[in-house]
Amino acid sequence: ILNVEQSPQSLHVQEGDSTNFTCSFPSSNFYALHWYRWETAKSPEALFVMTLNGDEKKKGRISATLNTKEGYSYLYIKGSQPEDSATYLCAHHSGNTPLVFGKGTRLSVIA
Amino acid sequence: KAGVTQTPRYLIKTRGQQVTLSCSPISGHRSVSWYQQTPGQGLQFLFEYFSETQRNKGNFPGRFSGRQFSNSRSEMNVSTLELGDSALYLCASRPGSGENSPLHFGNGTRLTVT
Repeated sequence: ILNVEQSPQSLHVQEGDSTNFTCSFPSSNFYALHWYRWETAKSPEALFVMTLNGDEKKKGRISATLNTKEGYSYLYIKGSQPEDSATYLCAHHSGNTPLVFGKGTRLSVIA
Repeated sequence: KAGVTQTPRYLIKTRGQQVTLSCSPISGHRSVSWYQQTPGQGLQFLFEYFSETQRNKGNFPGRFSGRQFSNSRSEMNVSTLELGDSALYLCASRPGSGENSPLHFGNGTRLTVT
């Protein structure tokens, strides 16, 4: 199973700041890239599933981009709010392998 | 539509014992995956079942096993528990075997081995 790396490991931002994190994955035999948000005491919730190189997806103030040729995806949050505080996970799928998750980026938004 | 249900929520066991965790997927979902979460680690894949067949298995010892029933409900079993098995075990379902659909996670079972 191939590694998925996320950076930074944790992040503290002020309310209103925009921020972004990175997910790096093996570029060979790419199939799909998932992003999930995991709030404390809740279960992980899907944000995006991305499959095409150059794909951009948006959900409210959160958006994501995908570069399958170089093996990375960015997640952007515009105007961070305290309710955005969570761990953001990306997961990569290639070929017949199961979804492989990164260790996540823990975001804390300070009011 | 009811979400993914995992039982029990919390479990305390002693080394050497065995444990069975249960997962009921969203109605209509036929694929169930299991993941282990330990401090400092990402979600580690255990297994995936689709239509009662194991499709993939992660890099865990044979003490970890699972199965899926005809109603898509799934169980995982851990025998001869070790302290290192203490973790949050998450189950996730999705409609089919296609990897383009997102996982829907349950709230997890927190297992503590003493």
